[in-house]
Amino acid sequence: DAGVIQSPRHEVTEMGQEVTLRCKPISGHNSLFWYRQTMMRGLELLIYFNNNVPIDDSGMPEDRFSAKMPNASFSTLKIQPSEPRDSAVYFCASSSRIDRASGNTIYFGEGSWLTVV
Amino acid sequence: QKEVEQNSGPLSVPEGAIASLNCTYSDRVSQSFFWYRQYSGKSPELIMSIYSNGDKEDGRFTAQLNKASQYVSLLIRDSQPSDSATYLCAVKYGGSQGNLIFGKGTKLSVKP
Repeated sequence: DAGVIQSPRHEVTEMGQEVTLRCKPISGHNSLFWYRQTMMRGLELLIYFNNNVPIDDSGMPEDRFSAKMPNASFSTLKIQPSEPRDSAVYFCASSSRIDRASGNTIYFGEGSWLTVV
Repeated sequence: QKEVEQNSGPLSVPEGAIASLNCTYSDRVSQSFFWYRQYSGKSPELIMSIYSNGDKEDGRFTAQLNKASQYVSLLIRDSQPSDSATYLCAVKYGGSQGNLIFGKGTKLSVKP
């Protein structure tokens, strides 16, 4: 069974350019998460979707960041314009909702390593 | 502000010893707790989950939860050099539709 698939794996771009990161969640999972990881701030939740609907985008740092989930098998995270401080690893993750308070398991993709110069 | 706190380490233990990793969280409502392992340059992978007070054992790993003290720990028995990684504590907020908030991780180094 394929895991969470992210692309590109690595991207180097110049400041001011638009960056689009893509994610395909695990088939059947109805929750999708975008995380950003840096040495200084650790793993931060940017936004998450349930059933393709954004539930909490309070972690999106500013208006330069936007995320969409047009269908159950695809999501994008876009940065426009990009800045050097956006350099980080961006992880997409997905999970299958369980109807009880005991929680669910989140599975991560391999990450997209972004460098903005 | 929901927070998950971990000692950043590095925690260094000799091979064969017990490694003890600790985590505290701020929100008493939290019900689900997870430990993820992340090797350098890789993505986090789930190793343990715990939902009830007490201990939960899985092979060489034991997770411990104390909701009254808002404290979660992970014990690794018979530590191996392959256990060297960063261990992330995660707490689930918001019920079944909620999300995971991660600590910054504790870097563990197991010396042969």
